[in-house]
Amino acid sequence: DQQVKQNSPSLSVQEGRISILNCDYTNSMFDYFLWYKKYPAEGPTFLISISSIKDKNEDGRFTVFLNKSAKHLSLHIVPSQPGDSAVYFCAASVYGKAAGNKLTFGGGTRVLVKP
Amino acid sequence: GAGVSQSPRYKVAKRGQDVALRCDPISGHVSLFWYQQALGQGPEFLTYFQNEAQLDKSGLPSDRFFAERPEGSVSTLKIQRTQQEDSAVYLCASTRDPGEKLFFGSGTQLSVL
Repeated sequence: DQQVKQNSPSLSVQEGRISILNCDYTNSMFDYFLWYKKYPAEGPTFLISISSIKDKNEDGRFTVFLNKSAKHLSLHIVPSQPGDSAVYFCAASVYGKAAGNKLTFGGGTRVLVKP
Repeated sequence: GAGVSQSPRYKVAKRGQDVALRCDPISGHVSLFWYQQALGQGPEFLTYFQNEAQLDKSGLPSDRFFAERPEGSVSTLKIQRTQQEDSAVYLCASTRDPGEKLFFGSGTQLSVL
């Protein structure tokens, strides 16, 4: 069973516009959520995170929103830039567990930002 | 080094062959993780070390998979009698503190023919 789902495998957006990536989870024990960005032939790199005690976290052009009741989070990128073209992974964990940051990832969304 | 280093970058194995994949974490990073990423999917957890102790190996898909980190730094993921379904990118990640974000290496792409 997939505990973290990204239902849109791809997204195409014009440069300067907003990119919205969505993620749903089923495990109510998850209390820490992250977004990772991945370029081809590279490992995922951390983008932004949010704890379940918050509903929004912002870092520059990137904002993550968390709706715990709906078990849904989203990543907004404003404005989108061609360098944002990559695969974005949503990930979740049970923060602070002895097993460390064991992340459960979604399947990814490929974003293409057109100049 | 500046980041997590993995070798080899690519590995082609014949079915039934044993392979060993190496991970050099960032210096001083206590926690080390192995993930498996199949084509078109997200990474899936394999195993976790804190220093030399393997605290969680619940994600290892079979007893053909074995990981070690004998001195608490470099780690090796070994796959015995490789099968075609083992073809994937194997990612290593490390972190200084279990509560901090993971830093990933570029991965080893394993192709089993």
